[in-house]
Amino acid sequence: DAKTTQPPSMDCAEGRAANLPCNHSTISGNEYVYWYRQIHSQGPQYIIHGLKNNETNEMASLIITEDRKSSTLILPHATLRDTAVYYCIVPRNDMRFGAGTRLTVKP
Amino acid sequence: NAGVTQTPKFRILKIGQSMTLQCAQDMNHNYMYWYRQDPGMGLKLIYYSVGAGITDKGEVPNGYNVSRSTTEDFPLRLELAAPSQTSVYFCASGLWLMRGRETQYFGPGTRLLVL
Repeated sequence: DAKTTQPPSMDCAEGRAANLPCNHSTISGNEYVYWYRQIHSQGPQYIIHGLKNNETNEMASLIITEDRKSSTLILPHATLRDTAVYYCIVPRNDMRFGAGTRLTVKP
Repeated sequence: NAGVTQTPKFRILKIGQSMTLQCAQDMNHNYMYWYRQDPGMGLKLIYYSVGAGITDKGEVPNGYNVSRSTTEDFPLRLELAAPSQTSVYFCASGLWLMRGRETQYFGPGTRLLVL
């Protein structure tokens, strides 16, 4: 996997947007960026993925910079249930999870 | 669809015992993975498979073996259990497409305690 760098932790107020950054400066032209999250001790859950264009689904938006060296996951209206560890991954043949960002949504 | 199923949910092993963690998926996914997650830590890839008959090592393969004789099943074998293998084990599957890998689906996990 291409190496990714994420802040270890972030806080967000309930109802506000949570913006989670990820650096992936070694990404190559045909590699996708994936975001997953893990709530407590459950198995990770897919959120969104993208190649070069911004993507949006019912859970989140993904903004990828023009040079593709970084991306931001946006949870537009964070709720307490969004408290989780968020992983940014650029898989090659396998799928390796780094340490992720622990997001805490506070009332 | 049952998705990804794992058995057992929880197991206690004595040091030196062996066991097989079962994983099955009914989505006809070609990729399957085994991860372990130690308390408070991230997931570490143990082994993965890109299709029946093909397996490859991940980050932490020592002490484990896998096989993939069918598309559906991907068992993980522990031959000589050690306390360091106490962890939660997650199995996952995914479908590789030409345009990019589809999402992974994770099983509920197997909690293993080695005493």
